[in-house]
Amino acid sequence: AAGVIQSPRHLIKEKRETATLKCYPIPRHDTVYWYQQGPGQDPQFLISFYEKMQSDKGSIPDRFSAQQFSDYHSELNMSSLELGDSALYFCASSSTLAGKNTGELFFGEGSRLTVL
Amino acid sequence: SQQGEEDPQALSIQEGENATMNCSYKTSINNLQWYRQNSGRGLVHLILIRSNEREKHSGRLRVTLDTSKKSSSLLITASRAADTASYFCATAPPSSGSARQLTFGSGTQLTVLP
Repeated sequence: AAGVIQSPRHLIKEKRETATLKCYPIPRHDTVYWYQQGPGQDPQFLISFYEKMQSDKGSIPDRFSAQQFSDYHSELNMSSLELGDSALYFCASSSTLAGKNTGELFFGEGSRLTVL
Repeated sequence: SQQGEEDPQALSIQEGENATMNCSYKTSINNLQWYRQNSGRGLVHLILIRSNEREKHSGRLRVTLDTSKKSSSLLITASRAADTASYFCATAPPSSGSARQLTFGSGTQLTVLP
């Protein structure tokens, strides 16, 4: 079965550069979530989209922005990168049936960002 | 973690033994989920228990939920070396919105020795 696809899997950037991460949710999933996981940390919710509209916002820095496109893929844009942005960035998707989210999130393998 | 604290932070057992991990949370929930993460990999959903359920089983997994104590436990029976991973609990808020983001606990690193 198709899973959540994230690209790139690894990314190395310098401080103050920008980075863009892409996420392709499972087909027919209508909700996309972005999480950040620092080394040895638990995943922290950044932002989510439902039917291409921003749904919820978590601890996402102002330097970061995200959007979901008409084909449901999502991109996380990160600018003015800082050393502390080095982390695993996960995208997850879920589906809503009859107006209710099924609850389970399906995660991609993550994009590892290293800021030097 | 702002929501869940997991106990213990690390657990090392022999193959064949049972492993129990605990999770506490602070706010009201719609459901509580457990995820597994191999080092540097994505999180894999294991089991979901709703706030009106007390116990759930799935294969070698048994989850309990005590909403009065705001706690949950995950029991893995007859552990295998392949169970070595980090285990996270995650809670979903009771909001009626379509997108229920999960808040993760701090995780338990389980090591199963062959």
